[in-house]
Amino acid sequence: GDSVTQMEGPVTLSEEAFLTINCTYTATGYPSLFWYVQYPGEGLQLLLKATKADDKGSNKGFEATYRKETTSFHLEKGSVQVSDSAVYFCALRGLAGANSKLTFGKGITLSVRP
Amino acid sequence: DAMVIQNPRYQVTQFGKPVTLSCSQTLNHNVMYWYQQKSSQAPKLLFHYYDKDFNNEADTPDNFQSRRPNTSFCFLDIRSPGLGDAAMYLCATSRVGWGPNEKLFFGSGTQLSVL
Repeated sequence: GDSVTQMEGPVTLSEEAFLTINCTYTATGYPSLFWYVQYPGEGLQLLLKATKADDKGSNKGFEATYRKETTSFHLEKGSVQVSDSAVYFCALRGLAGANSKLTFGKGITLSVRP
Repeated sequence: DAMVIQNPRYQVTQFGKPVTLSCSQTLNHNVMYWYQQKSSQAPKLLFHYYDKDFNNEADTPDNFQSRRPNTSFCFLDIRSPGLGDAAMYLCATSRVGWGPNEKLFFGSGTQLSVL
């Protein structure tokens, strides 16, 4: 079945540091890929997405590129802020259709120090 | 303004005592989902409703039930909670439930403790 693997955390960075959070996936066909973020005390919310190979999703300075050859969707940001401290979930939606579902990775906690 | 609302934020129940978690939405979305998230694990889909059609995941225990009396509300009933059911329960909605651009809107979750 479909699965998403995220790098182990937590990750602690200083403000303005470069961020990479690794995500790889296993799926049949051509899934859509997502990053969701959960800020403290809030629900998960969509950060960015990519729906086909070589697409780049971007939002709030974060980027991720859909790499079919390496089945990866790594999240990057050039300069993190304290306000980026949150839990980040990589996810995929597999086959299209009424019963397609979102499969999540375990999530990784990012803490950014001033 | 909160669009997917879960109450309560924290729920404590006793081993074996039935408990109900609630979720409401103001988005008028067709699909409502319940996810279970244990500590340091991925959110796991328990079931979802497309309108009134109930879709249970194959590995969801019979102990978990759900009701959707109308478009706005959805309930998660745990008939006999065990210690292993302690988790964060997340409610989410989506407009139609499929398509590459479809996204989920999540509530803040209910953290369930079982004593």
